[in-house]
Amino acid sequence: QKEVEQDPGPLSVPEGAIVSLNCTYSNSAFQYFMWYRQYSRKGPELLMYTYSSGNKEDGRFTAQVDKSSKYISLFIRDSQPSDSATYLCAPASSNTGKLIFGQGTTLQVKP
Amino acid sequence: NAGVTQTPKFRILKIGQSMTLQCAQDMNHNYMYWYRQDPGMGLKLIYYSVGAGITDKGEVPNGYNVSRSTTEDFPLRLELAAPSQTSVYFCATSQGSGYEQYFGPGTRLTVT
Repeated sequence: QKEVEQDPGPLSVPEGAIVSLNCTYSNSAFQYFMWYRQYSRKGPELLMYTYSSGNKEDGRFTAQVDKSSKYISLFIRDSQPSDSATYLCAPASSNTGKLIFGQGTTLQVKP
Repeated sequence: NAGVTQTPKFRILKIGQSMTLQCAQDMNHNYMYWYRQDPGMGLKLIYYSVGAGITDKGEVPNGYNVSRSTTEDFPLRLELAAPSQTSVYFCATSQGSGYEQYFGPGTRLTVT
């Protein structure tokens, strides 16, 4: 079983839709849950992160972690064509300090 | 500030050739990382460094070598290139064992 599983998509939605991107993980030691965004042919960039369980909101983006079910979500409200990218979840534990990346979900927002 | 720079952007190698991928940063970060990204496979950690003179293996180190003689530079060496090393290589940095990593633009390598 992979440590982090993420549906690669692609996911295509109309502009203005609410998008839900998800990951599952197997390592209960993960405490930090990062979301990176990667535009085509570019390096990933940190979008947002949460520590332990709960929600965190940043503008149109909400990150959610449920440690009891080992489930990570990223919600995008009022999606825009500029949100078209690959979204990578990357949990980490403080023990190792290393990120474990999911496969990434490719999102296309159509105008 | 340039952030994290990588050279070359693209390279085609023949099987058995060697090359060095360059990574430089001007962010004064102490941690540096090398990842490879294969299609649909996410990023895999090859090597990382916590400071000048200190390096350690990541998840997929075989076929690669690194050195870190300065804070700014972290070159990745491929010896005896193989088709399995065809990938996009990303260098990243962080301040401390930070989970906020800053990535370079990547080097696209093809081995034929």
